[in-house]
Amino acid sequence: NAGVMQNPRHLVRRRGQEARLRCSPMKGHSHVYWYRQLPEEGLKFMVYLQKENIIDESGMPKERFSAEFPKEGPSILRIQQVVRGDSAAYFCASSPMGPTAKNIQYFGAGTRLSVL
Amino acid sequence: KQEVTQIPAALSVPEGENLVLNCSFTDSAIYNLQWFRQDPGKGLTSLLLIQSSQREQTSGRLNASLDKSSGRSTLYIAASQPGDSATYLCAVRSSGDKLTFGTGTRLAVRP
Repeated sequence: NAGVMQNPRHLVRRRGQEARLRCSPMKGHSHVYWYRQLPEEGLKFMVYLQKENIIDESGMPKERFSAEFPKEGPSILRIQQVVRGDSAAYFCASSPMGPTAKNIQYFGAGTRLSVL
Repeated sequence: KQEVTQIPAALSVPEGENLVLNCSFTDSAIYNLQWFRQDPGKGLTSLLLIQSSQREQTSGRLNASLDKSSGRSTLYIAASQPGDSATYLCAVRSSGDKLTFGTGTRLAVRP
């Protein structure tokens, strides 16, 4: 059973370009979470999605950022018109069930975004 | 709003020492607490998960304790090895389903 797969592992963009980060959850998992780790900071929650639904986007910046988790295919975190401050490691996690006491999130290796 | 603090921020010890990493959280209404390991440029590896009803969990040389009422957890590493060098993250799951992370303790174990 493959783990959570994120691609690309490294992504370089120039200011103003778009960045698309992909996350394929573990087999059988229908819940996906995105976290961002800025340099020298801890991971911060961004968004929680189920198939075709955004459940909690309280950690998403109000502008330029969007996320989706379609019925088929990976979850996508999209950043439009990137700025240098978007440079960070973006981690995806998946879980087999929703908010229960025993729910565990499994993390991918992350995508490191560098904005030039 | 849940906040998680980890002390110390960095730690350097000689090989073989026993050590303790600390994690504190402000809101004791948690579902569980998890300790992760992060190697430079890599993802997160889950080490131990403690449910809110539990007091401790053990895995090999690692032991994690949880005192929910005081908002504290400790990760004890016995007989440290150079391969233990990494950043250790504490994360708390409270309301909803998101994890709140501390900023981590960067551990270096000297041969």
